[in-house]
Amino acid sequence: DQQVKQNSPSLSVQEGRISILNCDYTNSMFDYFLWYKKYPAEGPTFLISISSIKDKNEDGRFTVFLNKSAKHLSLHIVPSQPGDSAVYFCAASVTGTASKLTFGTGTRLQVTL
Amino acid sequence: DARVTQTPRDKVTEMGQEVTMRCQPILGHNTVFWYRQTMMQGLELLAYFRNRAPLDDSGMPKDRFSAEMPDATLATLKIQPSEPRDSAVYFCASGLSTLAETQYFGPGTRLLVL
Repeated sequence: DQQVKQNSPSLSVQEGRISILNCDYTNSMFDYFLWYKKYPAEGPTFLISISSIKDKNEDGRFTVFLNKSAKHLSLHIVPSQPGDSAVYFCAASVTGTASKLTFGTGTRLQVTL
Repeated sequence: DARVTQTPRDKVTEMGQEVTMRCQPILGHNTVFWYRQTMMQGLELLAYFRNRAPLDDSGMPKDRFSAEMPDATLATLKIQPSEPRDSAVYFCASGLSTLAETQYFGPGTRLLVL
């Protein structure tokens, strides 16, 4: 039972354009969400997070949007750069168990020149 | 430059053999996690420790997997006996217990069981 779903295994975007990565969740107890970025042969690294009390969080070129009613979040990268090419994982947790993350299966982003 | 280290980076073994994966958490981190990455399931939490005590290993197949922290600088994950379906990348992560953002991942051990 996949509680966090990333339905697009891959995405290709031109350099300079917007990349939008999507994530859906089924567990209504989740109230904290994170995005991780992973390069080949490396572990995932934390990118950006959002609490359920917010619907948007921005950090430079990265913005995460949360739609609680739809149980959906998205990561926007503007503008996309070749160095953004990586696998992006969405993760969710329940307050009080912030250490216990449930991850999606990942979306591979390819930013082309 | 504090990092989580994992050994070995790659392991090829035959079905039925014992496999031991090691992790050195970042000094000062009090929480250690083991994850498994497969194409179908993504990253799954296998077990985690806080202050060296196991808090949750519900994600681990109990009959063949075991996780321990002999001391604060070493975490181990053992599979005995290994099976082809255990082939995956195993990540260790360490962190500060209440802050998910401070969970730092190691580079992973790529395991192939033939």
